[in-house]
Amino acid sequence: DTAVSQTPKYLVTQMGNDKSIKCEQNLGHDTMYWYKQDSKKFLKIMFSYNNKELIINETVPNRFSPKSPDKAHLNLHINSLELGDSAVYFCASSQIWGAGEAFFGQGTRLTVV
Amino acid sequence: GENVEQHPSTLSVQEGDSAVIKCTYSDSASNYFPWYKQELGKRPQLIIDIRSNVGEKKDQRIAVTLNKTAKHFSLHITETQPEDSAVYFCAASTPNTGNQFYFGTGTSLTVIP
Repeated sequence: DTAVSQTPKYLVTQMGNDKSIKCEQNLGHDTMYWYKQDSKKFLKIMFSYNNKELIINETVPNRFSPKSPDKAHLNLHINSLELGDSAVYFCASSQIWGAGEAFFGQGTRLTVV
Repeated sequence: GENVEQHPSTLSVQEGDSAVIKCTYSDSASNYFPWYKQELGKRPQLIIDIRSNVGEKKDQRIAVTLNKTAKHFSLHITETQPEDSAVYFCAASTPNTGNQFYFGTGTSLTVIP
């Protein structure tokens, strides 16, 4: 049983397209996150979300938007994809907001061509 | 937001030697400091963490120390083994920015057999 699962694992798409990455956690956690890992392996927080609050990192373009249909899911929507969006995107969850272990999904490698 | 710096960016040690990775943070309100290990092509996984009310924590060959006054914390791995080879990330969480995790830039550790 995978604790945090993301789909798809690989995504290749053309510039200008709109795409979504799905994330589901079965840990019963209240908080979920999206991270972007670039080619230099830097892990940057994009969004933190629980049932009550969404925190958006100020450097994230508004083409990116998280959507949570329920507590166990936090999907990432990206509009008008650009070459610079190519990266590995990780979803994660934790029981406690900003403390305690964050469990990561396996990552989605997005390539924009 | 919080700024976390990590050094060195790469580290090579002989099997059996110790490895030390250091991180500094900027926000004195940061109160939770996890360390993650990411093997090639895999997801980051928590290996140890420490809270601001503790100065040191040890788990078998891994230890973390925290100096709140100087705002730095370190990961110590003793008796290194080839399977310790990975990228290690430190992180800090501060209530000032919604308790988001801010990661360091990563250290690529290679243990030479």
